[in-house]
Amino acid sequence: EPEVTQTPSHQVTQMGQEVILRCVPISNHLYFYWYRQILGQKVEFLVSFYNNEISEKSEIFDDQFSVERPDGSNFTLKIRSTKLEDSAMYFCASSGVAAETQYFGPGTRLLVL
Amino acid sequence: KQEVTQIPAALSVPEGENLVLNCSFTDSAIYNLQWFRQDPGKGLTSLLLIQSSQREQTSGRLNASLDKSSGRSTLYIAASQPGDSATYLCAVKGNQFYFGTGTSLTVIP
Repeated sequence: EPEVTQTPSHQVTQMGQEVILRCVPISNHLYFYWYRQILGQKVEFLVSFYNNEISEKSEIFDDQFSVERPDGSNFTLKIRSTKLEDSAMYFCASSGVAAETQYFGPGTRLLVL
Repeated sequence: KQEVTQIPAALSVPEGENLVLNCSFTDSAIYNLQWFRQDPGKGLTSLLLIQSSQREQTSGRLNASLDKSSGRSTLYIAASQPGDSATYLCAVKGNQFYFGTGTSLTVIP
């Protein structure tokens, strides 16, 4: 069964460094999403992406964040100048159409020291 | 801003019981509502999606209902099994996606 994959599974970085989280969505899906979940808190929407551009973003998704689909398979989240409070589990998801079921990847656990 | 609340926060039931999980949301202008399960340290698995025009969806032992006007959804699990133990999340799609805090379910063998 097709699935969303994410790499790395864990990432440790120093405060102020840049990180890139990678996702491979399900191959025929057109809509891509990033979420984060700080330990013990709600899953929070960051951004959705369609047709090579951001379709929606939350208040959390500020200039520190960017997304890119560099080729036909990968979808990346870049976090510039990481802060301690960026430590969280980051989930990628994809869906075939906008208002349909989202399929989530296993997540990348980011720890900023 | 949309607020999504799930009650109870935790629930423990003996195997075989039927149970209901609740989700409420403050803004009824939604496109859909989705129920997920999350196992410890893992990603989210979609269980059911209800479009705003629908009243309920069923999959196996699961039945989800949606009352958009009152801002409520329920997830009914029939004949619970230990493998159902997980955290159950509801999420609504409005202008963006909003998740609830989840209900942690333990099914005791």
